[in-house]
Amino acid sequence: DAKTTQPPSMDCAEGRAANLPCNHSTISGNEYVYWYRQIHSQGPQYIIHGLKNNETNEMASLIITEDRKSSTLILPHATLRDTAVYYCIVRINAGGTSYGKLTFGQGTILTVHP
Amino acid sequence: NAGVTQTPKFRVLKTGQSMTLLCAQDMNHEYMYWYRQDPGMGLRLIHYSVGEGTTAKGEVPDGYNVSRLKKQNFLLGLESAAPSQTSVYFCASSYQQGQPGLSYNEQFFGPGTRLTVL
Repeated sequence: DAKTTQPPSMDCAEGRAANLPCNHSTISGNEYVYWYRQIHSQGPQYIIHGLKNNETNEMASLIITEDRKSSTLILPHATLRDTAVYYCIVRINAGGTSYGKLTFGQGTILTVHP
Repeated sequence: NAGVTQTPKFRVLKTGQSMTLLCAQDMNHEYMYWYRQDPGMGLRLIHYSVGEGTTAKGEVPDGYNVSRLKKQNFLLGLESAAPSQTSVYFCASSYQQGQPGLSYNEQFFGPGTRLTVL
């Protein structure tokens, strides 16, 4: 699986957009980019994933560069409850005996302040 | 749906004791996983299962055993607990989605079990 690089921490004001970057320069063509977050003491929570195109759901938007070597997770209107560790993960396909391994790095600690 | 549940939520063991952590999911997922998370670190995969009756080793399997006798349950056993196994243990489940060759899976996590080994 491709390795990812994220800043260790970021701050964001409540109500503003939080833009979390991730570098994955060794990503291959069939690898997805996943984002999970972990709020203190809880299990990780899936946010969004993408392959090539930009994606949006009710939680966030994912912008993937054209060369796929980096991506940005956007929380459009951050709230205090968005304070968490955000993990960017790149992984190979799942299927059959391939279990869809997720390799969690250190992630980015996002602190949303009033 | 309860999603993924874990039993117990907390446990304190003495060195050398044994115990079993239970993970249950009601989403009919094929894949199940056990992770551990040490303070200030990301999750590390211990064991996983791609279906009922099958298990395989992850990144850090030593000192643990697992069983998946029923599709909805995934058990993690510690035969002789050591202080190095003090950690928070998370179970997850998933199913394969998407078209062949470009499939993906979203993992659903349980609330975790905090284990302390003295």
